[in-house]
Amino acid sequence: EDKVVQSPLSLVVHEGDTVTLNCSYEVTNFRSLLWYKQEKKAPTFLFMLTSSGIEKKSGRLSSILDKKELFSILNITATQTGDSAVYLCAVSGQSGGSNYKLTFGKGTLLTVNP
Amino acid sequence: DVKVTQSSRYLVKRTGEKVFLECVQDMDHENMFWYRQDPGLGLRLIYFSYDVKMKEKGDIPEGYSVSREKKERFSLILESASTNQTSMYLCASRRTGRSIYTFGSGTRLTVV
Repeated sequence: EDKVVQSPLSLVVHEGDTVTLNCSYEVTNFRSLLWYKQEKKAPTFLFMLTSSGIEKKSGRLSSILDKKELFSILNITATQTGDSAVYLCAVSGQSGGSNYKLTFGKGTLLTVNP
Repeated sequence: DVKVTQSSRYLVKRTGEKVFLECVQDMDHENMFWYRQDPGLGLRLIYFSYDVKMKEKGDIPEGYSVSREKKERFSLILESASTNQTSMYLCASRRTGRSIYTFGSGTRLTVV
């Protein structure tokens, strides 16, 4: 059975801090790892990672994948209150069938205080 | 702007009622998914569909069924709602062969 574990489950920081969110996984026939941000409603896509060691970056957010050690990190620098959200890690793998589907971790709840 | 639309944002239903949650996407995606999201448990896959009239059970299908009569619409059915089905329900879609899912805004269902 595919498994995705995120840590920490929750985190409280002050504006301006840098945070690192972790995601480890066990999946059959790994295809890709995705990060989503979820505020009050729909999860919105942040990054998709398929290759080890290549950093994806978007503004103050960045992410990298280690396929040997089976984990990814999401970094947020100079945090702002608008970064407060649940961050979801999901892995696309092929388990028990011919089609790929996403398995999600439980999420990390990030709270950024002013 | 591409969209996945869930018909209701909030629903309150009584135990034993038959409940329909509707999801429509305008991206011509072949694959559609229903998840429920609960505190401490994350997103769990209920059912998915790779194409019209096709459906497959996810990790927690008990108490649910689905219908996919048209490509753009995927319905989740609670045959006889129970209080343990109180949850946030998220619909998602993707194009075949792609990893990125697009999510709807969710339906928060309360069964009393």
